[in-house]
Amino acid sequence: QVQLVESGGGVVKTGGSLRLSCAASGFTFSGYYMSWIRQAPGKGLEWVSYISNSGDIIYYADSVKGRFTMSRDNAKNSLYLQMNSLRAEDTAVYYCARENWSLDYWGQGTLVTVSS
Amino acid sequence: EIVLTQSPGTLSLSPGERATLSCRASLSVSNNYLAWYQQKPGQAPRLLIYGASSRATGIPDRFSGSGSGTDFTLTISRLEPEDFAVYYCQQYVTSGKTFGQGTKVDIK
Repeated sequence: QVQLVESGGGVVKTGGSLRLSCAASGFTFSGYYMSWIRQAPGKGLEWVSYISNSGDIIYYADSVKGRFTMSRDNAKNSLYLQMNSLRAEDTAVYYCARENWSLDYWGQGTLVTVSS
Repeated sequence: EIVLTQSPGTLSLSPGERATLSCRASLSVSNNYLAWYQQKPGQAPRLLIYGASSRATGIPDRFSGSGSGTDFTLTISRLEPEDFAVYYCQQYVTSGKTFGQGTKVDIK
């Protein structure tokens, strides 16, 4: 069955960096676009970025453009989100999700807390 | 960017009642590239509806989606206790795949 497991969250100071990972299994990872979505505490969902199946097309939300970098390693069935220059407003649960036009499978999320 | 506005913010209903949730887009959502998700506390969202009206795998037929252009609706024909949750719409027409702000369906 399809499984997505995020890791790498934690507490980081304002201006710091963090790298999230998402391990995929149960499907042909290299055949699908993938996305990161986040949810601030008590708030709604915010799409963050997506990457094509080969990794050559990447889009970012304006709120993270220039600070976050999404990448993937199809040989390792893994997705990454490098987050730099973190701000308090980046505090959220970060989900990875499989794109099948819509987002048909989601991981359980990893919490990122940015504090001063 | 396509802005999605969901209404109402909260819907208070009893089990067995019908729920009607609205999602209005600031620009036309071509090809009906609109999805609905359900999220329960402490859980990841789950895909319910894609393409505005197609149920995802394993979703009960009491959930239905309709609409086109800028106006979309999610209907739950008879609420079961497990349906009380927050529901989000999302468009995937544009590269910026925006979500609505959510509608909470709670128990009256």
